[in-house]
Amino acid sequence: DAGVIQSPRHEVTEMGQEVTLRCKPISGHDYLFWYRQTMMRGLELLIYFNNNVPIDDSGMPEDRFSAKMPNASFSTLKIQPSEPRDSAVYFCASSFPNYGYTFGSGTRLTVV
Amino acid sequence: DQQVKQNSPSLSVQEGRISILNCDYTNSMFDYFLWYKKYPAEGPTFLISISSIKDKNEDGRFTVFLNKSAKHLSLHIVPSQPGDSAVYFCAATGGVNFNKFYFGSGTKLNVKP
Repeated sequence: DAGVIQSPRHEVTEMGQEVTLRCKPISGHDYLFWYRQTMMRGLELLIYFNNNVPIDDSGMPEDRFSAKMPNASFSTLKIQPSEPRDSAVYFCASSFPNYGYTFGSGTRLTVV
Repeated sequence: DQQVKQNSPSLSVQEGRISILNCDYTNSMFDYFLWYKKYPAEGPTFLISISSIKDKNEDGRFTVFLNKSAKHLSLHIVPSQPGDSAVYFCAATGGVNFNKFYFGSGTKLNVKP
């Protein structure tokens, strides 16, 4: 298996633009997680899905953030409109139930 | 409020010596703990875990110790190698949302040759 695949690896965008981050989980994993890494707060959980259904989105910073999982092999995290404070590395991870996560390589987002 | 805390942002150790990374948690429902290792430009990778039914788990050079009464765990690396230089994250879960892991802010370990 190729692991958890995220795209793009890097994204630079202007403030106010829409940004879409993509994730392909490991086949067969029931859980998918979106995390954000910043220097100040480390790894923060934004949202997670179980069998494509959002379970907990309490970590989503505000309404500008939205996430979807239309099928078992694809998820998106969208920021609209983007702001400079959204600059961070965004990680997607997937897992079997009651197991540790496998992380993707992350998307480094820079909003200027 | 962070439920998992790593109070040392960085640690520097000489090659061959022991590295000790610490982690504290506040939620008494946590009963499963992981350590992840992260190199620059890569995602975190699983290193070692421990369940609350144990107080020690060993895997080669890596040992994790759990002190439930103190709500504290530590990762020992012996002997430390330059390739161990990375950011180490502690993570915990438990209770109803067993699949939701809470992560600390990470400790950057530098092992000097």
